[in-house]
Amino acid sequence: SQTIHQWPATLVQPVGSPLSLECTVEGTSNPNLYWYRQAAGRGLQLLFYSVGIGQISSEVPQNLSASRPQDRQFILSSKKLLLSDSGFYLCAWGRGRDSTDTQYFGPGTRLTVL
Amino acid sequence: AQSVTQLDSHVSVSEGTPVLLRCNYSSSYSPSLFWYVQHPNKGLQLLLKYTSAATLVKGINGFEAEFKKSETSFHLTKPSAHMSDAAEYFCVGAGAGSYQLTFGKGTKLSVIP
Repeated sequence: SQTIHQWPATLVQPVGSPLSLECTVEGTSNPNLYWYRQAAGRGLQLLFYSVGIGQISSEVPQNLSASRPQDRQFILSSKKLLLSDSGFYLCAWGRGRDSTDTQYFGPGTRLTVL
Repeated sequence: AQSVTQLDSHVSVSEGTPVLLRCNYSSSYSPSLFWYVQHPNKGLQLLLKYTSAATLVKGINGFEAEFKKSETSFHLTKPSAHMSDAAEYFCVGAGAGSYQLTFGKGTKLSVIP
């Protein structure tokens, strides 16, 4: 069976500091990978998705970036965090050519920027 | 264009009574629709998925949803609420050719003992 891991589970960072969140998937190969942010009052927002190693699509302009160094690893980064980057970050994986195929979510990372 | 509207931001039921969480969608084409549940500080868990094979979809934990094209609705129901059902529920739409999911704003379900 497939499992998806995220770490860290929680993170408190000062404004202006860098960020690295990691997501890994087990039990499948060549998945589509997604990063979402869930902020209070703003719902779930797709940030990035990747259909293969080195292939990243950005949905929302911001000071975040994503990378996929390995088939089942997806990393979300920032060089300098803003207060507005606070939120709950969710990684998801799926298969298929579009969003009609089910996406399975990880446990999430709670990021607080102070 | 596609949109998903959850009609109630908060629903409160007594333990053992039925649950109804309402969702309407608008789409220019036949959508795929999902219901996910999120417990506090947890990820989203898939409850069920509609893909046009059957209008009544059974999911996990006793939940089911019925796709009604004439009403453009996809309401989630459960015959008898359990305390562990207290969580936030998201109705989600997906369209062919896009990686973007369309999320409803969520319905918070409270279960009163």
